[in-house]
Amino acid sequence: SQKIEQNSEALNIQEGKTATLTCNYTNYSPAYLQWYRQDPGRGPVFLLLIRENEKEKRKERLKVTFDTTLKQSLFHITASQPADSATYLCALDEAGNMLTFGGGTRLMVKP
Amino acid sequence: DADVTQTPRNRITKTGKRIMLECSQTKGHDRMYWYRQDPGLGLRLIYYSFDVKDINKGEISDGYSVSRQAQAKFSLSLESAIPNQTALYFCATSESDRGFQPQHFGDGTRLSIL
Repeated sequence: SQKIEQNSEALNIQEGKTATLTCNYTNYSPAYLQWYRQDPGRGPVFLLLIRENEKEKRKERLKVTFDTTLKQSLFHITASQPADSATYLCALDEAGNMLTFGGGTRLMVKP
Repeated sequence: DADVTQTPRNRITKTGKRIMLECSQTKGHDRMYWYRQDPGLGLRLIYYSFDVKDINKGEISDGYSVSRQAQAKFSLSLESAIPNQTALYFCATSESDRGFQPQHFGDGTRLSIL
């Protein structure tokens, strides 16, 4: 069966460190993979998109990698800040039309 | 003002009632989506519409219906609400350009069915 897995346990890190979140998938062949941020009481907000033929994408302190052999994406936040605390969702798109979301990982950055 | 507006933000109702959740957008996007979010399950697609005359079922459409009244408006109805439809509901929009476009979400409706 198809599955998208993100660590359901919260990730706690110290301010200034790099946070690394994982998204693993099974029985998908995504053309694109996206990462969203969701704050409590708010809708998800788009952060980054990476295509199947791209290995890495960066935006300011954010970096996403995409390994179609391992069926995994890693999302990194460098020099993390308390304001980065949120839930981060990965989402796959196989055909350019529809997104399938993972359950999200909550990140807590402590000062 | 928000680009994607959902009303109401919170709703408590009883089993068997008919409920309508509304979504309007000022982004000028053709595509609109309804999702529900349950703890640990992520967002699941209920219905989507690629233009005013287009309605498609998503992963979990049973018990729900939608109406696309205009490019800017997409409403979700629960004809006879049941407690397991208690969830957070999100509306989203995206452009219909070639290649994948990110989705833009409203801030959700928290629905509780007693």
